[in-house]
Amino acid sequence: AQSVTQLGSHVSVSEGALVLLRCNYSSSVPPYLFWYVQYPNQGLQLLLKYTTGATLVKGINGFEAEFKKSETSFHLTKPSAHMSDAAEYFCAVLEENSSASKIIFGSGTRLSIRP
Amino acid sequence: GAVVSQHPSWVICKSGTSVKIECRSLDFQATTMFWYRQFPKQSLMLMATSNEGSKATYEQGVEKDKFLINHASLTLSTLTVTSAHPEDSSFYICSASTRTGDGQYFGPGTRLTVT
Repeated sequence: AQSVTQLGSHVSVSEGALVLLRCNYSSSVPPYLFWYVQYPNQGLQLLLKYTTGATLVKGINGFEAEFKKSETSFHLTKPSAHMSDAAEYFCAVLEENSSASKIIFGSGTRLSIRP
Repeated sequence: GAVVSQHPSWVICKSGTSVKIECRSLDFQATTMFWYRQFPKQSLMLMATSNEGSKATYEQGVEKDKFLINHASLTLSTLTVTSAHPEDSSFYICSASTRTGDGQYFGPGTRLTVT
């Protein structure tokens, strides 16, 4: 089974500082990886995804993530944090088997932005 | 494009009653729909996967007789929580897939409170 692990349930950075949210995956096959953002009492919004090809993936709101096979990582970064970035962030992997394909989520990281 | 809606967005019911939650793909045909459950400050846990016209596949530990899923058409799936109890109070999120791979889109979620 495929899985993702998010290191740090809570990350706090100052406004304007670098955002780094960590995600490591476990997969026996080339993975499809995702980052989602969830604002309070709302559903999920896709930030970016990695399927194949370029390992540096750019997403919405200035976020990007780099797929590093050697480190089995897919960390999410943003050069300069904005107050509106405060939310819950989920790393996820697509698990495929003979019966279905489904997205498996990490435990989530809450991002707080200090003024 | 690729919009998924859920209805209702918030429901309060009494213990012992049943509640139906609808998930609709508004501008695409969803061959597969997924139902997730999210407790406060926790990640999304996949409950079941349903393909149009066939029985849902439930994840381990999810009671299929309690959480009835119907995927009657390519644009509608319903989740019925039968004989709801306070411990069923949660945020329920559906998603719909256009094809195998990266096309999975999430609804805004339904908050269920059982009193």
